[in-house]
Amino acid sequence: NAGVMQNPRHLVRRRGQEARLRCSPMKGHSHVYWYRQLPEEGLKFMVYLQKENIIDESGMPKERFSAEFPKEGPSILRIQQVVRGDSAAYFCASSPQRQGPDTQYFGPGTRLTVL
Amino acid sequence: AQKITQTQPGMFVQEKEAVTLDCTYDTSDPSYGLFWYKQPSSGEMIFLIYQGSYDQQNATEGRYSLNFQKARKSANLVISASQLGDSAMYFCAMREGFSGGSQGNLIFGKGTKLSVKP
Repeated sequence: NAGVMQNPRHLVRRRGQEARLRCSPMKGHSHVYWYRQLPEEGLKFMVYLQKENIIDESGMPKERFSAEFPKEGPSILRIQQVVRGDSAAYFCASSPQRQGPDTQYFGPGTRLTVL
Repeated sequence: AQKITQTQPGMFVQEKEAVTLDCTYDTSDPSYGLFWYKQPSSGEMIFLIYQGSYDQQNATEGRYSLNFQKARKSANLVISASQLGDSAMYFCAMREGFSGGSQGNLIFGKGTKLSVKP
């Protein structure tokens, strides 16, 4: 059973470009969470999605950031017009259900560097 | 107020000794879960151990155990017989609202960097 997959592992963008990060949850998991980790910090929640639905985006910046989890294919976190402050590690986690003790399993992360 | 507090930015431990990493939490929800994750220098987040708020026993997973003191709102991680490969960042996290109404996201502390000395 493959774990959570994220690609790319490393992404370099120039200011003003778009960054697109992909996450494929573990098989059988229908809940996806995105987190951001700034240097020397813990992870901060961004958005929670189920298939075709955004459930909670309270942690996501209001502008330039968007996320989706289509019926087919991976979840996508999109950052438009990137700025240097977007440089961070972006982690995706999945779980089989929203509540209860089910652990969230993390992907390896995408390290975004904005030049 | 911070929901998860890890007061030790860095810790050193001698190989083969035990070490305790501190974590205190703040919640008014009676139903919650506490998690510890390890982040080695390679960057991935590795799940270590879970404790539910209603669990009577302290959680254990191999060399990892969680010292859960509910009244004090602490959930310290104990690593026994430290190994060089244990050198990493360790994050405590909480998930609130198991009984309903929660979106289920994890709230993380700032982490503790553990260095194991040979």
